[in-house]
Amino acid sequence: AQSVSQHNHHVILSEAASLELGCNYSYGGTVNLFWYVQYPGQHLQLLLKYFSGDPLVKGIKGFEAEFIKSKFSFNLRKPSVQWSDTAEYFCAIYGSSNTGKLIFGQGTTLQVKP
Amino acid sequence: NAGVTQTPKFQVLKTGQSMTLQCAQDMNHNSMYWYRQDPGMGLRLIYYSASEGTTDKGEVPNGYNVSRLNKREFSLRLESAAPSQTSVYFCASSEERPDTQYFGPGTRLTVL
Repeated sequence: AQSVSQHNHHVILSEAASLELGCNYSYGGTVNLFWYVQYPGQHLQLLLKYFSGDPLVKGIKGFEAEFIKSKFSFNLRKPSVQWSDTAEYFCAIYGSSNTGKLIFGQGTTLQVKP
Repeated sequence: NAGVTQTPKFQVLKTGQSMTLQCAQDMNHNSMYWYRQDPGMGLRLIYYSASEGTTDKGEVPNGYNVSRLNKREFSLRLESAAPSQTSVYFCASSEERPDTQYFGPGTRLTVL
């Protein structure tokens, strides 16, 4: 069965610190990978996605993620976080044989202290 | 262009009561989805509809039914609510699968 694991459940950083949120998945076939963000009081929105091509994907607000196929990983990074990045972050995968099902990780809550 | 809208925003039910959560999208998307979000468990797919007239079960369909009323609307029904269905419910839509899913604001449901 497909699964997504986000290692960090709660991360606290100071402004300007660098961020890396881990995401590992379990699936043997072709995958499409997503990071979504949920800001306080708002609905989920897409940060970035990977379908094919360059494994280093850039998204909105300075976020990027790298797909490492050999490690089944799609970690999210940002060189310098801001207070406004405080949110919950979800990694998700769509497997090629998984008709219609986007599988989400448990989520990571990021708190950025000003 | 409102995107994905959901009603109601909040609801409190007693065990055994029924209700329908409404979802509509104005982006002319083919696919629509219902998820539930529980602390520490991320989002789990309840049902989805790949196109008008079709629906399929997701990870956690038990206790729910859905109706794809037309291309715009996708409703979720709880026939006999249980406390285990206390959750935040999100509707989403996408143009096709796989693709970016656009989410509604959510419905916070409490079952007493």
